[in-house]
Amino acid sequence: TQLLEQSPQFLSIQEGENLTVYCNSSSVFSSLQWYRQEPGEGPVLLVTVVTGGEVKKLKRLTFQFGDARKDSSLHITAAQPGDTGLYLCAGDDTGTASKLTFGTGTRLQVTL
Amino acid sequence: GAVVSQHPSRVICKSGTSVKIECRSLDFQATTMFWYRQFPKQSLMLMATSNEGSKATYEQGVEKDKFLINHASLTLSTLTVTSAHPEDSSFYICSATTDRGETQYFGPGTRLLVL
Repeated sequence: TQLLEQSPQFLSIQEGENLTVYCNSSSVFSSLQWYRQEPGEGPVLLVTVVTGGEVKKLKRLTFQFGDARKDSSLHITAAQPGDTGLYLCAGDDTGTASKLTFGTGTRLQVTL
Repeated sequence: GAVVSQHPSRVICKSGTSVKIECRSLDFQATTMFWYRQFPKQSLMLMATSNEGSKATYEQGVEKDKFLINHASLTLSTLTVTSAHPEDSSFYICSATTDRGETQYFGPGTRLLVL
């Protein structure tokens, strides 16, 4: 069974701080996706990384896929209260998003 | 584009009753739909995968007779929780993919509370 461990599980920071969330596995994935989920809502796709070593930027968010395609990180610069939510990584080993394995989740709280 | 809706958004039912949750792809044809379950403060766990017109494939540990899935059309899948019990209370989320299958589009979720 593939397992995606995220760390930290919970992070509470003040507005303006930087943070990094890690997603680690012993399995190789064809692609890895990052989602953000707010309470009572479904997850919203932030980015998909496909190539080992790939770095993608989405405004203040920087996503990196490990060279071996087993791990990924999400770095947020100058966090804002609107970044608060549950961040989930999800790995796909089929190449077709037909079966996603979700990570354990990182709950981020950004306060003023 | 690629919008998935769920109905109802929340439901409260008595123990022993059955509850049906609908998942619809509003602007695309969903060849495959997925049903997930999420307990409070936990991640999403895949329950089953359904393809239009065929039987659903259930993950290990998920009772197929308790969680009935029907994918009758390319835009609708239903999950029926039969004889619901308090331990079935959870957040149920569906997702859908097109025949290209590159991305799963998630619904907004349905919160089920069984009293």
